Amino acid sequence: NAGVTQTPKFQVLKTGQSMTLQCAQDMNHNSMYWYRQDPGMGLRLIYYSASEGTTDKGEVPNGYNVSRLNKREFSLRLESAAPSQTSVYFCASSESGRQETQYFGPGTRLLVL
Amino acid sequence: GENVEQHPSTLSVQEGDSAVIKCTYSDSASNYFPWYKQELGKRPQLIIDIRSNVGEKKDQRIAVTLNKTAKHFSLHITETQPEDSAVYFCAAGKTSYDKVIFGPGTSLSVIP
Repeated sequence: NAGVTQTPKFQVLKTGQSMTLQCAQDMNHNSMYWYRQDPGMGLRLIYYSASEGTTDKGEVPNGYNVSRLNKREFSLRLESAAPSQTSVYFCASSESGRQETQYFGPGTRLLVL
Repeated sequence: GENVEQHPSTLSVQEGDSAVIKCTYSDSASNYFPWYKQELGKRPQLIIDIRSNVGEKKDQRIAVTLNKTAKHFSLHITETQPEDSAVYFCAAGKTSYDKVIFGPGTSLSVIP
């Protein structure tokens, strides 16, 4: 099993450009998450999907959209990138979401110029 | 909403000594408290968790304690080793919610 995979690993964008970060899991998990990690601020939840067909806002959803394409895939879209969105983005999944271990992907390092 | 604070932000210990990281949370309804370890350049991984029906949990050199009255919980690492060097994150969540809120992290350095 590959676990949780993310693409791309690294991306440079110019301000105003758009892009989609891809995440997939092969563990048959119901819940999936997108976090951003900035120095000194820990892991902040952007959006999550408790189950296929549902999505909810997390702590910092502004400037992002998500799509739960199917049970395996959960994508994060930046419609108009800003320098404040420079960060490392982690996708995670868990079996049910309620007090269950979250398994993280390797991360995507995004630089917005 | 839930707010999780974590102290200290950085911690250096000599190999073989103990390390303690403390977290506080704001929502008294929270009842699930996991700890994640993130080595440099790697992804976070769960190392231990505790639920509100117990006050302490141990797993080899790692232990967590929970004080629900004071709304704080702690991670204790005994006999530290260089491979314990990493950033540690605490988190808090509720049974009824499908998410946890993470603290800002503690960077632990174990000096050989």
